[in-house]
Amino acid sequence: AQSVTQPDIHITVSEGASLELRCNYSYGATPYLFWYVQSPGQGLQLLLKYFSGDTLVQGIKGFEAEFKRSQSSFNLRKPSVHWSDAAEYFCAVGQVYIFGNEKLTFGTGTRLTIIP
Amino acid sequence: NAGVTQTPKFQVLKTGQSMTLQCAQDMNHNSMYWYRQDPGMGLRLIYYSASEGTTDKGEVPNGYNVSRLNKREFSLRLESAAPSQTSVYFCATGPRTDTQYFGPGTRLTVL
Repeated sequence: AQSVTQPDIHITVSEGASLELRCNYSYGATPYLFWYVQSPGQGLQLLLKYFSGDTLVQGIKGFEAEFKRSQSSFNLRKPSVHWSDAAEYFCAVGQVYIFGNEKLTFGTGTRLTIIP
Repeated sequence: NAGVTQTPKFQVLKTGQSMTLQCAQDMNHNSMYWYRQDPGMGLRLIYYSASEGTTDKGEVPNGYNVSRLNKREFSLRLESAAPSQTSVYFCATGPRTDTQYFGPGTRLTVL
């Protein structure tokens, strides 16, 4: 069964510092990979996704993520965080089974705090 | 376009009471979903509907029922609420393994 691990429950970074949020997955074939952001009191919004092709994908709000098959990882990065980036971030993995069934699995989330 | 709307935004129930969470989307997607979000658990799928007239169980369907009223509306019903159903409930629409669009959530407390 597929699974998604976000090893960091909570990360604190200073405004202007770089950010990397980790995501590891277990799945036999090439998965569909997503990063969502949830601002306080809001629903989830897609930041970026990877289906195939270039392993470095760009998203909204200056975020990027890199798919590394050898490490089963899809880490989210941002070179310089802003106070408005404080939120919870979810990695998700989608897969399509042989008979067409699909499944999307979310990680447990990483809460990002920004300090001035 | 409103996207995905949910009502109510907040609800407090007593154990054993029933209620229905409403969801509507104007994005013309076939699929709709109900998730619950609990601390440290991420989002877990309760039920989904691949198209009007069809519904299927997700990971945690016990204690819930759903109705896909038409293409736009997908409701979630708690027949006899339990404290374990205290959670934040999100409705979403979009393809199962592509971008999903989420509503703002319903915060439910069962006393």
